Amino acid sequence: QVTLKESGPGILQPSQTLSLTCTFSGFSLSTYGMGVGWIRQPSGKGLEWLANIWWDDDKYYNPSLKNRLTISKDTSNNQAFLKITNVDTADTATYYCARPYYDGTYYYYFDYWGQGVMVTVSS
Amino acid sequence: EIVLTQSPVSITASQGEKVTITCRASSSISSNYLHWYQQKAGSYPKLLIYRTSILASGFPDSFSGSGSDTSYTLTISCMQDEVAASYYCQQGSSSPLTFGSGTKLEIK
Repeated sequence: QVTLKESGPGILQPSQTLSLTCTFSGFSLSTYGMGVGWIRQPSGKGLEWLANIWWDDDKYYNPSLKNRLTISKDTSNNQAFLKITNVDTADTATYYCARPYYDGTYYYYFDYWGQGVMVTVSS
Repeated sequence: EIVLTQSPVSITASQGEKVTITCRASSSISSNYLHWYQQKAGSYPKLLIYRTSILASGFPDSFSGSGSDTSYTLTISCMQDEVAASYYCQQGSSSPLTFGSGTKLEIK
């Protein structure tokens, strides 16, 4: 059974660094083909893909935020992390982590999602 | 970046009515890389249809998907209370992965 759960600070101030953790079970980032992605959604708005990290530590970022994003993983503890530097109010959103499906071929969709963690950037 | 444009932005349908949502891509996409999600209010998105037409586990066959190239369609054959939600298309053809802006489906 695959599960993912996000955790984060809840609220932070502009210019700070947002640190998010995704704790997952039911799969391992040491397994060939596995990955974790981060997607966010401002309240009442659409979904925006942020980054993916793969079993081999390959990383992909959305270029619209690339300079501010860092994705990483802790394979032994089944966790993935996302840091966003220099946040502002536009980064206020619900942040989801999700698993990209892999069956030997990548089609780049997310088959399991966490419940999401709400992050508010406010002074 | 491939931009996905969904239409309509919102739709209200009666019980039993057929609903069609369109997703148009700014560039051609292989049908293997176009996917749909359902998101109910206050919940996370759930994979609904992948690779254009394959129904994800747990969803009824009242949902179907089709399309090719730059035009894709999600069809709900019979509107019911439980399908009231927002629907998003997503492309995995090229990075960055992108989502459509969503279609909110409400029941009349």
